[in-house]
Amino acid sequence: LAKTTQPISMDSYEGQEVNITCSHNNIATNDYITWYQQFPSQGPRFIIQGYKTKVTNEVASLFIPADRKSSTLSLPRVSLSDTAVYYCLVGSSNTGKLIFGQGTTLQVKP
Amino acid sequence: DAGVTQSPTHLIKTRGQQVTLRCSPISGHKSVSWYQQVLGQGPQFIFQYYEKEERGRGNFPDRFSARQFPNYSSELNVNALLLGDSALYLCASSLAISGITYEQYFGPGTRLTVT
Repeated sequence: LAKTTQPISMDSYEGQEVNITCSHNNIATNDYITWYQQFPSQGPRFIIQGYKTKVTNEVASLFIPADRKSSTLSLPRVSLSDTAVYYCLVGSSNTGKLIFGQGTTLQVKP
Repeated sequence: DAGVTQSPTHLIKTRGQQVTLRCSPISGHKSVSWYQQVLGQGPQFIFQYYEKEERGRGNFPDRFSARQFPNYSSELNVNALLLGDSALYLCASSLAISGITYEQYFGPGTRLTVT
């Protein structure tokens, strides 16, 4: 199963756009790319999922190039409440086994 | 609608004991997965069940077992507890259709402390 690599931490300021890039060089044909957000002592919360090209929902956008070996989560105009750990992961559509990496700790400053 | 619920919220056990954790999925969700999250690390996949059958297993010893009931709720059992089993145990449910797993929704977790 594909492993993911993402920055350990990022800092940003309120109102800025934040882009977190994740690499998954060994992604398989059936794998989806999913991003989760996690606050301390809480379960991860689903943000967005995609297979290829671009996906957008009310909270984020996900950009996936044609080779699918990386993906970028874009958070528009972050606020202090967006301070959390963000996980990029790939999951098989056959088994549902999700591999979480170390995550990116995003710190949003006022 | 209620989200994924887990019980108990917190649990303290001693080494060598056995523990059972419970999970109720979102109504209509037929797939339940279990994850272990040690402090400071990302969740690690333990099991996935779909329609009461095991569909995936992570790299955990046989001391870990699980099952899914006809109402799609699930139990995770851990025998012969070790100090290293102290972690947040997360349950996630998903709307799986024909074995294809969609996004997973996580519960708040059970914090297990082994002393």
